[in-house]
Amino acid sequence: SQTIHQWPATLVQPVGSPLSLECTVEGTSNPNLYWYRQAAGRGLQLLFYSVGIGQISSEVPQNLSASRPQDRQFILSSKKLLLSDSGFYLCAARQVYEQYFGPGTRLTVT
Amino acid sequence: GNSVTQMEGPVTLSEEAFLTINCTYTATGYPSLFWYVQYPGEGLQLLLKATKADDKGSNKGFEATYRKETTSFHLEKGSVQVSDSAVYFCALSDPAFGNEKLTFGTGTRLTIIP
Repeated sequence: SQTIHQWPATLVQPVGSPLSLECTVEGTSNPNLYWYRQAAGRGLQLLFYSVGIGQISSEVPQNLSASRPQDRQFILSSKKLLLSDSGFYLCAARQVYEQYFGPGTRLTVT
Repeated sequence: GNSVTQMEGPVTLSEEAFLTINCTYTATGYPSLFWYVQYPGEGLQLLLKATKADDKGSNKGFEATYRKETTSFHLEKGSVQVSDSAVYFCALSDPAFGNEKLTFGTGTRLTIIP
């Protein structure tokens, strides 16, 4: 079975600073990968998904970007964080018709 | 577009009470339906799923039946425990989009008191 790693687990960053969140997947090859954000008191919003190396689909316009430099690595980035970027970021990988989630990164922008 | 509507929380129940969390959906195709659970401070875990009409998903005492006629997938448990306290998300994946995307409800926070 696959295992999804995310780091860091928690992060506090000032407004205007850059961001890099990393997700790696073990136990599977060529997975579909996803980044979700869960804002306080709200549901999950799909931000990006990728079906292969270098292939990124963006679901919502924002100041975030994603990259997939390797088959099992998915990175979420920002050049300048906004207060509204605070939230819980979840990486997921698809296996058959199910998505499995990592433990998440809690980001607080101050 | 696709959407999932969940019963608004928070829901507070006493231990051993019967639980129902309502979920209805709108989809263009014939979606698969899921319930995910999020324990405090953790990511989401798949709780159960159903892939076609009249299927019943079950796990850890929870059940949900895929009702196409009412476009519903309500989560039930006969006797809840304190350890069931969590946020529950209903979700669907639509084959019209190649099952690439999950659409989630807003989540229902459940608290069980001893």
